[in-house]
Amino acid sequence: EIVLTQSPGTLSLSPGERATLSCRASQSVSSSRLAWYQQKPGQAPRLLIYGASSRATGIPDRFSGGGSGTDFTLTISRLEPEDFAVYYCQQYGSSPLTFGQGTKVEIK
Amino acid sequence: EVQLLESGGGLVQPGGSLRLSCVASGFTFTNYAMTWVRQAPGKGLEWVSAISEGGDITFYADSVKGRFTTSRDNSKHTVYLQINSLRAEDTAVYYCAKNLRSGIACYDYWGQGSLVTVSS
Repeated sequence: EIVLTQSPGTLSLSPGERATLSCRASQSVSSSRLAWYQQKPGQAPRLLIYGASSRATGIPDRFSGGGSGTDFTLTISRLEPEDFAVYYCQQYGSSPLTFGQGTKVEIK
Repeated sequence: EVQLLESGGGLVQPGGSLRLSCVASGFTFTNYAMTWVRQAPGKGLEWVSAISEGGDITFYADSVKGRFTTSRDNSKHTVYLQINSLRAEDTAVYYCAKNLRSGIACYDYWGQGSLVTVSS
């Protein structure tokens, strides 16, 4: 099973700042099959990025994904008030599919 | 508009059973694999199960294998999760989710979630 470790656990930033979230895999993720989701309290997750770097439909271009192999990042170029949430990475390259434990982006 | 509407959650005693349903609309249901993901209170996301477009292939997390069964009725645009031998650690919000596309098991649409509480 591929274990995904996200860091930091919590990121305290101000609106307008840049956020960089990390997702490290215990083994190489096949074909960069890594996705990122945003989840707000009481809501279902929302797909942001798939294939490590492709934005899902309707996702603003301030969200970008990168990386390959075992190291992946999600970058939010300028935080908007609605971006404060929990972010999860997920690998779908090998079974069982796994999620990271999440990074909370909170208002400083 | 794509919608996934779940039902069937509730309070159940340890060892009991439940069947969750997820009715899909707004897309060609038979073209997409479907997935169940759960989230324990205050915790992260856990992949539970998936079912192929035709319903002939299913996958399960080790934590639920032998206790949970996923099925689908394509004529009703519905996917089901039969949960048996419930344990306290199965307490969670259960989401059904639509795969992005064939062969890509990430999820572009999610249901609102159905809360399952296992307690005596």
